[in-house]
Amino acid sequence: EPEVTQTPSHQVTQMGQEVILRCVPISNHLYFYWYRQILGQKVEFLVSFYNNEISEKSEIFDDQFSVERPDGSNFTLKIRSTKLEDSAMYFCASRPGLSRTEKLFFGSGTQLSVL
Amino acid sequence: AQSVTQLGSHVSVSEGALVLLRCNYSSSVPPYLFWYVQYPNQGLQLLLKYTTGATLVKGINGFEAEFKKSETSFHLTKPSAHMSDAAEYFCAVSVDSNYQLIWGAGTKLIIKP
Repeated sequence: EPEVTQTPSHQVTQMGQEVILRCVPISNHLYFYWYRQILGQKVEFLVSFYNNEISEKSEIFDDQFSVERPDGSNFTLKIRSTKLEDSAMYFCASRPGLSRTEKLFFGSGTQLSVL
Repeated sequence: AQSVTQLGSHVSVSEGALVLLRCNYSSSVPPYLFWYVQYPNQGLQLLLKYTTGATLVKGINGFEAEFKKSETSFHLTKPSAHMSDAAEYFCAVSVDSNYQLIWGAGTKLIIKP
């Protein structure tokens, strides 16, 4: 089965530093997502992306966050000035189309630790 | 607002015993319901989903779930647990076309030998 790839698997950074989390969605998919899971808490929706623009974002996705599809394959999440509370597992996901019946394909996640 | 509640952050069963993981949801519109599984150090994988039609849905690895509208439930079951089923299981509901999933808190399934 095709896979969503995320790099790195672990990222450690100092508070205030910028981080970029990288994702390669499945090649023919059109919709891309970032979710995060703080340890011991629920998975939370951050942002969805379609046709080179954000289609929906949550309250968590404030001005310090941005997403980009710089080329035809990568989908990145940038956190401009990391805070301790940004420590979480970040999941990228993609799906082929808009139907709610289609499943999301998830990457294996990037564990971000902000010190 | 939509929400998902999973009863029990940890469920422990013996190998060969019945697995029952509970999920209740609230939604003002007909929901699409999903169970995802997360094995250690891996991403989330779809186990099964309910969209329309038959309310008993079968998924991978012998799991199944039944949508009960009157009880607003979508409990996950497996007749006989296997050691390889040890993982965290997440129930989720999708209620809009943008496919934003609302997630439960997850239930860690522990299998005792």
